[in-house]
Amino acid sequence: DAGVIQSPRHEVTEMGQEVTLRCKPISGHNSLFWYRQTMMRGLELLIYFNNNVPIDDSGMPEDRFSAKMPNASFSTLKIQPSEPRDSAVYFCASSPTDSSYEQYFGPGTRLTVT
Amino acid sequence: SQKIEQNSEALNIQEGKTATLTCNYTNYSPAYLQWYRQDPGRGPVFLLLIRENEKEKRKERLKVTFDTTLKQSLFHITASQPADSATYLCALDMHSNYQLIWGAGTKLIIKP
Repeated sequence: DAGVIQSPRHEVTEMGQEVTLRCKPISGHNSLFWYRQTMMRGLELLIYFNNNVPIDDSGMPEDRFSAKMPNASFSTLKIQPSEPRDSAVYFCASSPTDSSYEQYFGPGTRLTVT
Repeated sequence: SQKIEQNSEALNIQEGKTATLTCNYTNYSPAYLQWYRQDPGRGPVFLLLIRENEKEKRKERLKVTFDTTLKQSLFHITASQPADSATYLCALDMHSNYQLIWGAGTKLIIKP
């Protein structure tokens, strides 16, 4: 298996622009997580999907952030409008369990908002 | 609220020695604790999971212990190699089945 695939790997955009991050989880995994990692705050869970259904989005910073999982093999995280404080590395992770056990992380998307 | 403390300073270990990393937590004991490795520019990689009723878990050169009295987990790498150099993260569950609290990680440097 190719592992969790994320695109793009790097994104540089101007404040106010819409940003869409993409994730393809490992086939057969039930759970999908979106995280944000910064030096100041470490890894933070943004949203958790189980069997394509959003279970907990309480970590989404504000209404500018939204996530979808239209099918078992694809998820998106959208930021509209983007702000400089959104600059971070965004990770997608999937798990073969219905929990946070043994998560497999993608390579991440490094987002820079200027 | 639950907090996790990992040594923020880098740990320098001579090749061949045992490296020991510490993860301390406050408040209630988690149902389980996980250790991950993260290399620069890459996502964390799952290494080991230990449950609250387990004292020790091993996988090849890796060993994890869990002491709920001390509120501490130790992560050991025996016969360390330069390729073991990375940042190691511990993560605790929040009894929610999916929510983890992540430590900031400890950078391990194995010197040849």
